Amino acid sequence: EEQLVESGGALVQPGGSLRLTCAAAGFIISDHYMDWVRQAPGKGLEWVGRSRNKFKGYTTEYVASVKGRFTISRDDSKNSLYLQMDSLKSEDTAVYYCARVYGGKGNAFDIWGQGTMVTVSS
Amino acid sequence: DIQMTQSPSSLSASVGDRVTITCRASQSISTYLNWYQQKPGKAPKLLIYAASSLQSGVPSRFSGSGSGTDFTLTISSLQPEDFATYYCQQSYTAQFTFGPGTKVDI
Repeated sequence: EEQLVESGGALVQPGGSLRLTCAAAGFIISDHYMDWVRQAPGKGLEWVGRSRNKFKGYTTEYVASVKGRFTISRDDSKNSLYLQMDSLKSEDTAVYYCARVYGGKGNAFDIWGQGTMVTVSS
Repeated sequence: DIQMTQSPSSLSASVGDRVTITCRASQSISTYLNWYQQKPGKAPKLLIYAASSLQSGVPSRFSGSGSGTDFTLTISSLQPEDFATYYCQQSYTAQFTFGPGTKVDI
């Protein structure tokens, strides 16, 4: 079964750092674009960023609000995706999901993890 | 950035009703439009991709249509398990954006 499992969410103080992990099973992430999406409490979905696949050199994209603070990376040997979050702000408080982008389906997110909660508060 | 809007923001319906949700993009996105269903405390689930293609395993009462800037998600006969929030999402540009969501409740 193809699945994604996130981990690493925690309570962190403003200005702090956190790294989230997204472990994939049932498929090889190096073949796929992989994204992070977040959802603040009681709010809608917000696209955070992308790591393109090996064919595109694992290049990355970010939403403006996190550019320069968040970094997406991968470890193919562990079939895992990461989100390094630095200089965290209260507005980064959210459930963070990783999701697979399926090019053959209009670039839709066809697989999602269960989410991991990040709370930024003093 | 492409802005996505949805209407209505919420609606009340009964089991068996036909429900239509509209999504509009701020510029043409061809058919790079996807629909997701989200229930409380759960991850979103893909329903429709490329505007009108039904994701595998999704009941046929869900359908999508549209192209360019205007899109529609239709539930032909609402079932109890369909009460949820629905989001549209454009995948036309490198930076994807979501609509604000439509909550469907009883």
